[in-house]
Amino acid sequence: DGGITQSPKYLFRKEGQNVTLSCEQNLNHDAMYWYRQDPGQGLRLIYYSQIVNDFQKGDIAEGYSVSREKKESFPLTVTSAQKNPTAFYLCASSMSSGGTGSTDTQYFGPGTRLTVL
Amino acid sequence: GQQLNQSPQSMFIQEGEDVSMNCTSSSIFNTWLWYKQDPGEGPVLLIALYKAGELTSNGRLTAQFGITRKDSFLNISASIPSDVGIYFCAGPNTGTASKLTFGTGTRLQVTL
Repeated sequence: DGGITQSPKYLFRKEGQNVTLSCEQNLNHDAMYWYRQDPGQGLRLIYYSQIVNDFQKGDIAEGYSVSREKKESFPLTVTSAQKNPTAFYLCASSMSSGGTGSTDTQYFGPGTRLTVL
Repeated sequence: GQQLNQSPQSMFIQEGEDVSMNCTSSSIFNTWLWYKQDPGEGPVLLIALYKAGELTSNGRLTAQFGITRKDSFLNISASIPSDVGIYFCAGPNTGTASKLTFGTGTRLQVTL
């Protein structure tokens, strides 16, 4: 089945530890995205990547890092510098970027809920 | 920056009722997307609109791309319990088509 997978579904971390969230897609999409969602809130963009080996900061990139070594993978690391990391993290992908119409439509993974203890 | 305002923020309706929600912007959008998010899950795309004035249906859902390009509407007919969730509108940022701006969401609760 084609789609976006995120693992794990639930993640617990001790304060001060870095943690990496996985995101994989087999849709052959060029662009991938990471969002953060807090309770009762909308989605805020952390980082996005339009092509392999390239990525840009979103609106709330501080305390996070990403890599895009392969087209299908876009892992997100939540570092100890992130002051309030407990949240629901969503990964998405789209066929292309900078285009118009249907190619910009983003499809989401199931999310990872990170809790910092 | 661009902002999308959704209303209402939340609604409680009885099963079988029709639902209407909207999304407005101070700037023009060339694409409108409507997503539904179930609790603890990622948003799922419901309807995509690419042309001003376009009216598109997906089962009991109907969405319209406003003529002014600054608004969009989502209607759900004959609501059922599984319609419960948060509905988000979204549109691509001008100048950076790969980035989406999301509305704040409309939380729908359905009572039997």
